[in-house]
Parts: sequence; C-alpha cells; structure tokens
Amino acid sequence: ETGVTQTPRHLVMGMTNKKSLKCEQHLGHNAMYWYKQSAKKPLELMFVYSLEERVENNSVPSRFSPECPNSSHLFLHLHTLQPEDSALYLCASSQDYRSGANVLTFGAGSRLTVL
Amino acid sequence: AQTVTQSQPEMSVQEAETVTLSCTYDTSESDYYLFWYKQPPSRQMILVIRQEAYKQQNATENRFSVNFQKAAKSFSLKISDSQLGDAAMYFCAYRSSYYGGSQGNLIFGKGTKLSVKP
Repeated sequence: ETGVTQTPRHLVMGMTNKKSLKCEQHLGHNAMYWYKQSAKKPLELMFVYSLEERVENNSVPSRFSPECPNSSHLFLHLHTLQPEDSALYLCASSQDYRSGANVLTFGAGSRLTVL
Repeated sequence: AQTVTQSQPEMSVQEAETVTLSCTYDTSESDYYLFWYKQPPSRQMILVIRQEAYKQQNATENRFSVNFQKAAKSFSLKISDSQLGDAAMYFCAYRSSYYGGSQGNLIFGKGTKLSVKP
C-alpha cells in the first residue's frame, strides 16, 4: 500500500473513553503532521514530528496526546474529549519539515464524533 | 502572522466551462510557497498546483492554472474545461520558505466548495 493511510475512518466515542487514531506513511518521509478540520474553519495544525521528534505543538489541549514511535507511524491518543472535539482529523507527511517547498501528502482522515 | 482568505464559500460551474477560484493572503515575507489543494468527498486532500513566490511565471498543471499577483498578494486558481470529477472543496494554502519558526506550518484558507453541473 502506498501513500498515507489513516485508521479508523470513523470513530464515535463517549467523553470518558480512551481511543487512538493511527496514521501510517509508506513514502519514506521524515516529517508527519496532525491537522484538525472543523466545519467552516481553516485546517488547524496540531502537531508536527520530524524524525520522530516533536517539533511543534500548537497549544493543543492535553486530552490529545501524540506519539511517533518511528518515522512511518503516528498516533493521536484521545482521552476525555469534549463534544467540540468532533471533527475530521487529517494526518499528513512530507519529505522533511524545514523546507517550504515540500509538498504535504495527506491521508483520508478519521472522522471523530464525541457524544 | 500569515493569513489566507478565500472569499467564495461556494462556486458553481457548468461542465466544460471555466471557473476561477479566488485566494488572497497576507504576509510580510518575500519568499514563500502557495498551494491549491482539492478535497473531494473521499476526504483525501490532493495537491492541485504549487507556486513558488520568487518565480514570476504562473504555474500550470493540465487544465489547472494560477494567476499569481505577488504585489497584490493574490493567488487565484483557474479550472478550464471543468469536469464532474472537479467537484470538491478547494483550499488555498501558504507556506514560508524561511528556516526557523513555524515554516513547517501549511496555513490554509477556509475553502471554496465547487459544484459542477452536467
């Protein structure tokens, strides 16, 4: 399989649940990203990892916890979320983090609904 | 901080016709990259076209072309010979070229929903 793969495609969880989103890239890229896409708002960058090291954390609440065990895998652990956290969560990767020329390749997203 | 504005929440075009999607941005930087991404109902964001700010020539990719006006900070996307498969959300995005800071961040507009009528 090629490209960026995200699982699950859909997730419904209660506010007290713990769940995780998974992202896997088969492109040999060194940087991986989590974006949040809410209705009628621009995509919001949540976290960036470069060579498995977190390089950006854009004031994301601690109920979102990222994990990057290697350059091919990225997780977003979810705990005690709020209904306003319902959104499409997009994972992306790029060859490296610093070069503005690098194109981001996105996955198809995980649609999260928090009840 | 950089911002990206797409002033058209929705647009519609007849199949085989041409449509132009608008995008303006605000930045104090002189070197940067601009992108148009397409997000069809399948939800996967796909790169349509990329423009380097230091290049005056407008980027073209098959039926897709841009009108890049650096002084006006405008970056519109023209889709020629529109096809049903072009129906999607289109996002304009900005990324800094400078080392340091948040240049890893791709800054998006809110998007334009394009409908294509048969």
